[in-house]
Amino acid sequence: QKEVEQNSGPLSVPEGAIASLNCTYSDRGSQSFFWYRQYSGKSPELIMFIYSNGDKEDGRFTAQLNKASQYVSLLIRDSQPSDSATYLCAVTLVDSWGKLQFGAGTQVVVTP
Amino acid sequence: SAVISQKPSRDICQRGTSLTIQCQVDSQVTMMFWYRQQPGQSLTLIATANQGSEATYESGFVIDKFPISRPNLTFSTLTVSNMSPEDSSIYLCSVVDSGNTIYFGEGSWLTVV
Repeated sequence: QKEVEQNSGPLSVPEGAIASLNCTYSDRGSQSFFWYRQYSGKSPELIMFIYSNGDKEDGRFTAQLNKASQYVSLLIRDSQPSDSATYLCAVTLVDSWGKLQFGAGTQVVVTP
Repeated sequence: SAVISQKPSRDICQRGTSLTIQCQVDSQVTMMFWYRQQPGQSLTLIATANQGSEATYESGFVIDKFPISRPNLTFSTLTVSNMSPEDSSIYLCSVVDSGNTIYFGEGSWLTVV
């Protein structure tokens, strides 16, 4: 069974520190990897996606992908209280672009 | 980026009734999907809405319970039929835009009483 796994948290991070979120996936056919942020009572919003091994940076966010080890991570630098949310990892397969399989999400709490 | 509008945004429904959710996109998109997010859970794909043909359902979801229409490249509907309290969820429309980026609508929050 294809699975996407995340630690549910909560992950408590001091303001200004780096938050590190991890996600593992079971299907080696997974092609692209997405990170969404979901505030309570809101729909998911796309942070970034990655499909090549290595790092991809976008502002305070860095996604890291290691296909050999089947994990993808998200780093949030200079964490702010507004980053407090649930972060969802999602993957899509080569033959089903657009169809996302989600992990359970990691709750992040940034403390002032 | 695609702008997605969903209606209704929230509703409280009586058990045994049906509700149709609309998803309108401001541009033509090739792919549209419907997801469900049950309380405290992550998102689960219900089906792919195919333009001009029957939707493709994921395991555990059936057309009789979740009929879907997609008459054109900018609009789709999801009906939740014969609702029970277990259907209380957020229902989200998702699209793939011309840049192959995946976006979600704001969601429709349904409570079945």
